[in-house]
Amino acid sequence: AQSVAQPEDQVNVAEGNPLTVKCTYSVSGNPYLFWYVQYPNRGLQFLLKYITGDNLVKGSYGFEAEFNKSQTSFHLKKPSALVSDSALYFCAVRPQIGNNRKLIWGLGTSLAVNP
Amino acid sequence: GAVVSQHPSWVICKSGTSVKIECRSLDFQATTMFWYRQFPKQSLMLMATSNEGSKATYEQGVEKDKFLINHASLTLSTLTVTSAHPEDSSFYICSARGDTLAGELFFGEGSRLTVL
Repeated sequence: AQSVAQPEDQVNVAEGNPLTVKCTYSVSGNPYLFWYVQYPNRGLQFLLKYITGDNLVKGSYGFEAEFNKSQTSFHLKKPSALVSDSALYFCAVRPQIGNNRKLIWGLGTSLAVNP
Repeated sequence: GAVVSQHPSWVICKSGTSVKIECRSLDFQATTMFWYRQFPKQSLMLMATSNEGSKATYEQGVEKDKFLINHASLTLSTLTVTSAHPEDSSFYICSARGDTLAGELFFGEGSRLTVL
């Protein structure tokens, strides 16, 4: 079965330090990859996506993500975390082949940036 | 970027009543919208796919008679929770697919439903 894994329920990082939120996937072919962020009691906001090309994609709020095809990973990164980055982060994958091309969601990772 | 508006943000209702939630795409036309449900500290659960001008496609286990979805125009989809019960209390989020190659989703702000 196709799946997306976010192995960490929670990530804690000090303000100013780099952060990484991990995502791996098991999907056939070359899927589209996405990161979304959710602040408390709010809807999700689109951060960035990977379609093709450069493995490092840049997105909103200084975030970037690195696509690694051999490891089937798409980790979210930021060089210097802010307290305001504290939120819930979701990785999602959309298959390009097959009959079912719905988004497949990870379970989310709660990021806490400590002052 | 594409903007999706969802209303109401908060709603409290009595058990047995019906509640309607609206989802509008403000600056683009959305032939497909999605309704999600999110429990506290849990991931998103896709409830149904709303298609403009046709019947919604419900995910397995979602009662279509309880969660009525109407997508009458290219900019509006509604979710009606009929005969609501306390177990229907949840955070409901709508989204619309953008008109790009990857088809990323743009989300409304969500609606917190509390059924007393």
